[in-house]
Amino acid sequence: DAKTTQPNSMESNEEEPVHLPCNHSTISGTDYIHWYRQLPSQGPEYVIHGLTSNVNNRMASLAIAEDRKSSTLILHRATLRDAAVYYCILRNQGGSEKLVFGKGTKLTVNP
Amino acid sequence: DAGVTQSPTHLIKTRGQHVTLRCSPISGHKSVSWYQQVLGQGPQFIFQYYEKEERGRGNFPDRFSARQFPNYSSELNVNALLLGDSALYLCASSLLAAHYEQYFGPGTRLTVT
Repeated sequence: DAKTTQPNSMESNEEEPVHLPCNHSTISGTDYIHWYRQLPSQGPEYVIHGLTSNVNNRMASLAIAEDRKSSTLILHRATLRDAAVYYCILRNQGGSEKLVFGKGTKLTVNP
Repeated sequence: DAGVTQSPTHLIKTRGQHVTLRCSPISGHKSVSWYQQVLGQGPQFIFQYYEKEERGRGNFPDRFSARQFPNYSSELNVNALLLGDSALYLCASSLLAAHYEQYFGPGTRLTVT
């Protein structure tokens, strides 16, 4: 399973942008980059995914490096509700359903 | 719309006992996966079922088994419980066998004493 590396923790202030980095130097050409987050006392929830191009949705933006060896999840204006553990996951196109979670980045949002 | 539901919410068992955890996927979802999350770690994949057939199995002992019913709900069974089985057990459902988005339930917190 392709591996990702994320910082253990990050801190942000409310209403400021947050950039959550992820390194995936062994990514293959058919691996999609997925982000999930897990709020306290809840199951993980899907945030966003992408292959090569930057992606935007209502929750966040995903910026993917040109060589695809790293990516950044961007929360444009952090709220207290965004405090969670964020997981960066690689999934092979056409591969199995399973998600391989690392330890993720625990994001703390200060009021 | 109802999300993924799991029962029970919490459970306390004794070493050596067995346990059955239940999961109801989102309506229309045919794929169900099970994960184990130990405190401080990310979830670890246990099983995936799609259309009532096992599609994937993680690195867990044979004490762990699962099945999926005709209505796509699923059960996870764990026999001969060990203290190390104490964890949050998560169920996730998705539309297809390898859809990009999985929807997780709130989990069942199992404590083995």
